[in-house]
Parts: sequence; C-alpha cells; structure tokens
Amino acid sequence: RKEVEQDPGPFNVPEGATVAFNCTYSNSASQSFFWYRQDCRKEPKLLMSVYSSGNEDGRFTAQLNRASQYISLLIRDSKLSDSATYLCVVNLRTGGFKTIFGAGTRLFVKA
Amino acid sequence: NAGVTQTPKFRVLKTGQSMTLLCAQDMNHEYMYWYRQDPGMGLRLIHYSVGEGTTAKGEVPDGYNVSRLKKQNFLLGLESAAPSQTSVYFCASSLNRDGNEQFFGPGTRLTVL
Repeated sequence: RKEVEQDPGPFNVPEGATVAFNCTYSNSASQSFFWYRQDCRKEPKLLMSVYSSGNEDGRFTAQLNRASQYISLLIRDSKLSDSATYLCVVNLRTGGFKTIFGAGTRLFVKA
Repeated sequence: NAGVTQTPKFRVLKTGQSMTLLCAQDMNHEYMYWYRQDPGMGLRLIHYSVGEGTTAKGEVPDGYNVSRLKKQNFLLGLESAAPSQTSVYFCASSLNRDGNEQFFGPGTRLTVL
C-alpha cells in the first residue's frame, strides 16, 4: 500500500462547478499536510497548508481528518485556470523527518 | 530574486555517460533536495542536504551522488547513466524541513538512450 494515495482522475468539470479531492495516508505519525499544485510540464507550487481545524483560502477549502487519516481539497466555482494536477503532501516525523508526495489528481475545467 | 534555478533544462544521454545537474537558490535556505518524478508516481526523494557540506540519502539514492560545497548550490551527479534514470528531476529548497514550504526549480528533463 502506498503511504499517500490519491485518485489520479482525471476529473473533468464545467466552469463554475464544485469539485473535491481526497487523499489518504497510512502512517499515523504524519505531522503536517499540504496541497501543492502542478501545471503541465511545470514545477509543483504550494497551494495551501492543511490545518487540523480546516482552513479556507478564497475558493479553496482544505480539511484534515486524523481519525480516518485523510485530507481533502474542495474547489468552489471552478475556473479554467484551476486545470492542473493537485498533489497531496504529508510530512512524517519518524526518527528523522520525511516528506511524501502523492502521485497527484488531475483536474480539467472546461468552458 | 530568481528563487530556485536548475541547469540544464533538457539533456539526452547515452547509456554509460555521466553528467551533473546544477541547482542554485538565492533564498538563503538551509535545506535542499533532489527529486525525480515519473509518470503515475509521486515525487521521490533522491538525496537531500540540511546545510552546507552535508548530504543524506533519500528514498531512491542508487546511481546518484550529490555535493553541497556552497550553501546556495546543490549538485546531482549521474556517474554512469542508465535508461531507468530517464525522468524529470526537480530541485527544491526550504528554510528548514519541519513542515516548511518547499520551493521548486523548473525541472530538468533527462532522457537516457
């Protein structure tokens, strides 16, 4: 089983739609969580951190469920420019420190 | 500020050839990382460095070597390239490793024939 698992998609949604991605992690020692965005043939960039109480940044909402070991990303009012791959990232503290990237979920927003 | 830069952007090698990928950052970050990204897989850590003069192995270090002689530079070497090393290589840096944002370079697309 992969340490961080994401539905690869692709998710194809119309502009204005609401779309949600989930990411599950297997290690309960996971300490911190992030969503990164990666455009086609570009480098990943931080979209937002994920806090235990949940957090919002404009149209984006991130949630963490430690009991069930998953994090989610909700995008409201999707824009064409939201088309990208969304990477779930988990930091573990297990003796040392380890960062694990999910393989990503592809989103296509169409007009 | 340029952030994180990588050279070269593209390279084609023949099996057995060697090369060095250069990563530079101007943010005075302590931590630097080399990842590879392959289709259907997440970024995998090759080697990382927690400061000038120090390096450590990541998840997939075999076939690669690294050096961090200056704080701002992190070099990744392939001594004898293999087709399995065909990938996109990303360098990243962060202020520290304790949950901080990682800033990535634009990547190097390497093909080994």
